[in-house]
Amino acid sequence: QSALTQPASVSGSPGQSITISCTGTSSDVGGYDWVSWYQQDPGKVPKLIIYDVINRPSGVSNRFSGSKSGNTASLTISGLQAEDEADYYCSSYTRRSTLLFGGGTKVTVL
Amino acid sequence: QVQLVESGGGVVQPGGSLRLSCAASGFTFSTHGMYWVRQAPGKGLEWVAIITKEGGIDYYAQSVQGRFIISRDNSRNTLYLEMNSLRVEDAALYYCVRDAGTTTGTKYYMDVWGEGTTVTVSS
Repeated sequence: QSALTQPASVSGSPGQSITISCTGTSSDVGGYDWVSWYQQDPGKVPKLIIYDVINRPSGVSNRFSGSKSGNTASLTISGLQAEDEADYYCSSYTRRSTLLFGGGTKVTVL
Repeated sequence: QVQLVESGGGVVQPGGSLRLSCAASGFTFSTHGMYWVRQAPGKGLEWVAIITKEGGIDYYAQSVQGRFIISRDNSRNTLYLEMNSLRVEDAALYYCVRDAGTTTGTKYYMDVWGEGTTVTVSS
């Protein structure tokens, strides 16, 4: 199975909003609400920031929000801050009872 | 505190085998499904395998199907990954990861990650 499709990089200025897309198929992203997002700082362990498409774990900033339309899920970061510079990965459950990650998106704050 | 500590990584020749372990502490291990996730140097995350909380059901990524086996010993609070017929492309940092679901069932998202153990496949 191929990885979910994410843009390789997204950038924005402090205070702006950016959106990262995660495109799959009806057998994964489009077929289930088990989509999650992870933030990974360089050299660090990934951190869960969104689960079940739209939910934020406690302690995660409300500047992070998730959504889904058809086969594409999205992560929006509002009020972009320097500390948001990191790699972001989406993940989805699949029809084969497996999971898939996206290829990852590097977020740069200009 | 909730903790996952991997061990067993090392250098192995192509075609060789290795067994990874993950010691869990700070939570009721037997109530959570568990995953192995890997990350090759400079690359993205790749899901490897899942095992249910009882250990009765497991699934694998196509890239490791038939070569890797995930298992667990709930009496020892330990997760394992038996890796056979290793290939150069299996070289990565292997993370032990907890599924967020408990008695309500698998949730298919990952809330606790270990620091990882490194597997190098080289002749």
